[in-house]
Amino acid sequence: GEDVEQSLFLSVREGDSSVINCTYTDSSSTYLYWYKQEPGAGLQLLTYIFSNMDMKQDQRLTVLLNKKDKHLSLRIADTQTGDSAIYFCAEREQTGGFKTIFGAGTRLFVKA
Amino acid sequence: DAGVTQSPTHLIKTRGQHVTLRCSPISGHKSVSWYQQVLGQGPQFIFQYYEKEERGRGNFPDRFSARQFPNYSSELNVNALLLGDSALYLCASSLDNQPQHFGDGTRLSIL
Repeated sequence: GEDVEQSLFLSVREGDSSVINCTYTDSSSTYLYWYKQEPGAGLQLLTYIFSNMDMKQDQRLTVLLNKKDKHLSLRIADTQTGDSAIYFCAEREQTGGFKTIFGAGTRLFVKA
Repeated sequence: DAGVTQSPTHLIKTRGQHVTLRCSPISGHKSVSWYQQVLGQGPQFIFQYYEKEERGRGNFPDRFSARQFPNYSSELNVNALLLGDSALYLCASSLDNQPQHFGDGTRLSIL
């Protein structure tokens, strides 16, 4: 079945780059997303990439997609303490409905 | 513009009771989805509705049901509540095939 996997924790120093990795299984996925969740809040859509793209850049965020290896990454440049949160990778099914499958989330700690 | 709004924000119920959670999508969005997020995990898909029709259903028991109204708002109903139903329930809306935008959720606690 479909599955999305992420590492659980990442710790970086303020000003460094953060790279959060994700692997997924559904090769028919059309969209792949990155969401951010702060304590007590819902999910904020950060960025997304179509499955026919390799890279997308949006200000400090860079998404890389390796479709052959089913690997997605999110790079945050110049990481700030305000970036501390849980980051979820998600894939959207193309078949059998339109559900979005989420990973368990990567908790990013940014040290001042 | 208002984002996705959910009510109530918090709710406490006891085992065996039922609950109704409400969601108003972003104006113009016709698709609404519901997710359950247990502490420490990612959201799990429960339902998707589009134009008042159920379009997808996740692996949840029949105690979970939902509906979408003509104004595209939605309700999630859960009957015969169990302790394991304690979670953050998230609603998301989207234009048909576009990324979903989430509300802040309803935190449901079962005693």
